[in-house]
Parts: sequence; C-alpha cells; structure tokens
Amino acid sequence: GAGVSQSPSNKVTEKGKDVELRCDPISGHTALYWYRQSLGQGLEFLIYFQGNSAPDKSGLPSDRFSAERTGGSVSTLTIQRTQQEDSAVYLCASSLVGQVSGNTIYFGEGSWLTVV
Amino acid sequence: DQQVKQNSPSLSVQEGRISILNCDYTNSMFDYFLWYKKYPAEGPTFLISISSIKDKNEDGRFTVFLNKSAKHLSLHIVPSQPGDSAVYFCAASARAGGTSYGKLTFGQGTILTVHP
Repeated sequence: GAGVSQSPSNKVTEKGKDVELRCDPISGHTALYWYRQSLGQGLEFLIYFQGNSAPDKSGLPSDRFSAERTGGSVSTLTIQRTQQEDSAVYLCASSLVGQVSGNTIYFGEGSWLTVV
Repeated sequence: DQQVKQNSPSLSVQEGRISILNCDYTNSMFDYFLWYKKYPAEGPTFLISISSIKDKNEDGRFTVFLNKSAKHLSLHIVPSQPGDSAVYFCAASARAGGTSYGKLTFGQGTILTVHP
C-alpha cells in the first residue's frame, strides 16, 4: 500500500485477554516505531526497530507488552493480560532510515484499543 | 516526567486571524523540533520542523519559532483557516553523534478550532 497500514482499526477486548496489533510499514522503510496515545495524553514512545539492529524497547510500559518485526517488514505489538489502562490508540510509524528529518516519518491511522 | 509540554489543551481562533500554539521542553539535549497535525481517526501528519541551529523556519502560512534559552517553541498560522482545525502536537528529538535517532517525544497536543 501507499501508506502505513494498521489492523485492526478498532478492538474491544475483555480485561485479562491478550491482543495483537499489526503494522504494515511503507515498502522499503527500514525503521518502524510504535507509539500510543491515551486519552488526554501525548504520543508515548513504545518501541523502535531499525533494520537488523536490536530494537529499542525502552518505552514499553511493562513486561506484558512485546513487539516483533518479522523479515524486516511487518510488525506485531502484543499486549498480554490486558488491563483497562491499556486502552489507547496505538500508532505505528515508519521511515526510510532511523533518522528524523522532518517529513521522513509517516504514521498509520492507529489501532483503537478498548479494554472493558 | 513530561519533557515536552503543551500547556494549552485548546485554542479557538477566528478565520483570518493568527493562531499561536505554544510548546515548552525541559531536556536540553533536544535539538530538533517538529509540529504534527492530527485529524480525528487519522494518524499524525508532519507539518513543519526546526533545527536548534535556527530560531525561525517558515513554510507558507506556517512559521515555527524556537527560543533555546527559554526552551520554548511556537507555531504561528497566518491566516488561520477552518481547515486548520485539528489537534497539533509538538515533538522533540535528541540527536546523538550527528545522527537523528527517530525517537520523538511528543507533547499532549492542542486542539485548534478555527471559526468561519
């Protein structure tokens, strides 16, 4: 596709269940980022993948959160034993290289997660 | 620890007038700043950026000003248009070794409403 694609766009899950969120970056983009936005908050950095380097997981809020990127392309963010405070919009972004230069980072439309 | 702060949750402006959105940061290592615009149900899109070696960057109706001593930046939109109504996020990045990393720290966002 032309842009960053995320699925599902909306997910309602029961507390305690596991969820998987998928991100399809722009073709050829080597860097992939996950952010989340909770209600009334800014965008919170979660994890960053760049090529074959070890990912920067410093933003993951707990060990219930994990992410992987297979084949350097598609990424899956997994939240185990979901809690109500996990409810947020989860945004994926990608860029050509892991460099910030203004308009090189492109965001997807996000996956809205509601934990009830 | 909110390293990037947008203290005004909302701003209302008349069409044709100037919109001024403010952002403060605390981390002196930040040296690259960006503004993103977000419509409902869409991912953020890049608007304008500025490097710390500059104090002003202009792109059409949008101008970003940076005051490093005050750790403050602002986005000016002149003239404001109803289509500018959106959530505006400022973001900051700390480059290491001359390479921008891509880990953006975002503010909470400001909802701009431009009335016809």
